[in-house]
Parts: sequence; C-alpha cells; structure tokens
Amino acid sequence: AQSVSQHNHHVILSEAASLELGCNYSYGGTVNLFWYVQYPGQHLQLLLKYFSGDPLVKGIKGFEAEFIKSKFSFNLRKPSVQWSDTAEYFCAVINAGNMLTFGGGTRLMVKP
Amino acid sequence: DAGITQSPRHKVTETGTPVTLRCHQTENHRYMYWYRQDPGHGLRLIHYSYGVKDTDKGEVSDGYSVSRSKTEDFLLTLESATSSQTSVYFCAISEAVYSYEQYFGPGTRLTVT
Repeated sequence: AQSVSQHNHHVILSEAASLELGCNYSYGGTVNLFWYVQYPGQHLQLLLKYFSGDPLVKGIKGFEAEFIKSKFSFNLRKPSVQWSDTAEYFCAVINAGNMLTFGGGTRLMVKP
Repeated sequence: DAGITQSPRHKVTETGTPVTLRCHQTENHRYMYWYRQDPGHGLRLIHYSYGVKDTDKGEVSDGYSVSRSKTEDFLLTLESATSSQTSVYFCAISEAVYSYEQYFGPGTRLTVT
C-alpha cells in the first residue's frame, strides 16, 4: 500500500518569507501527485497537480512544486508568503493500483 | 467551484443513534467518495462509488455503509454512531480515478456525544 509523509506538521513564517513544505511518498511506480489547500473553515481546493511532463509544476497563487522521482518527493514552494496563505496544506498521491492517499497535512501560519 | 453540496453541515447526535449524511453533485461525475478528516491523519477514504449501485470500501470503512441510487446522490450512513466517529466528513467527486483531480464538498461536522 502506498503512503504519504508530510514531515512538517506546523510551520510558522513571517510575511515575505520563503516556504517549502516537504512531501514524500512510498510507491515506486508511476504516480499522479497533488497539493490541496484548506483555508480556515473551507473545503479542500486544488493548488496544483503533476501527471507527467515537466517535473516543475506551477499552480495557483504563486505556488509551485517539484517532482523528484529519485527521491520520491513532491515538495511545495512559494518564494514569498502572504498572511492570506495561512491554511492547512495536504499532499496526495495516487497510482494505478490504489485510491488517492493523503498525507497528514501541514498547518501554515503566516504572521503579518 | 464544482457543484457539490453536503447536508447537514453540522450535526450533534448521541452514541448509538443512526446518522445519514448526504452528498449531492450537479457535475454528472461518475466517481464519488466519502472521506473523514481528523487532526494528524489528513483525509482518509471511507467508501467510494464508481457508478449507480456500485460501491467499494476504503481504508476506514468499519462502522459505515453507503448507497448510491442516483448518479447525483451518495449517502453515508453510520448505523450506530460512536464517539470515535466524531469527525469532519467530506464528499468528493471525480470523472475517473486516475489522472483526474477530485473536487471536494464543503464538509459536514459530526459530533457524537
């Protein structure tokens, strides 16, 4: 069975700081990868996704993620965070033999 | 936003009572899912459906049942609610399982006392 690990459970940053959230998965074959965001009191929304092609994926609101197959990683980055980025971020992975599996989430707090 | 609604949005119930949560979609997507969200666990799949009357178990299906009699509706039933089922429940939809993103509903916060 596949698993997804998000090693940072809570992150606190000041506005304008750079962000990198880690995501590692266990499955060795072909995967589709996602980052979802959940703003306080809201449902999950898709930030970005990787299916194939360029391993550097750009999403909404200035976020990007890099798929590194050799490291089984799909880390999320943003050069300069804003207070409005305060949210919980979820990495998710799916392969042909399994359903979508989520990591435990990372709570990001951005201080103004 | 995808056309997904969940009802009720909040519910408090007592241990041992049956509870049914409803998910309704207007997108005509084939696949529908029920997840529960708990701190530190992310979202975990309870059950999913790949068509009318076609359902299968997910990772945490014990104590839950589902039904899908119409494309647009997917019901989650807790036969006899327990305190461990206190959670936020999200419905999601997708056109297919692989190479398609899932769209999520607004969630139902269920408290079992």
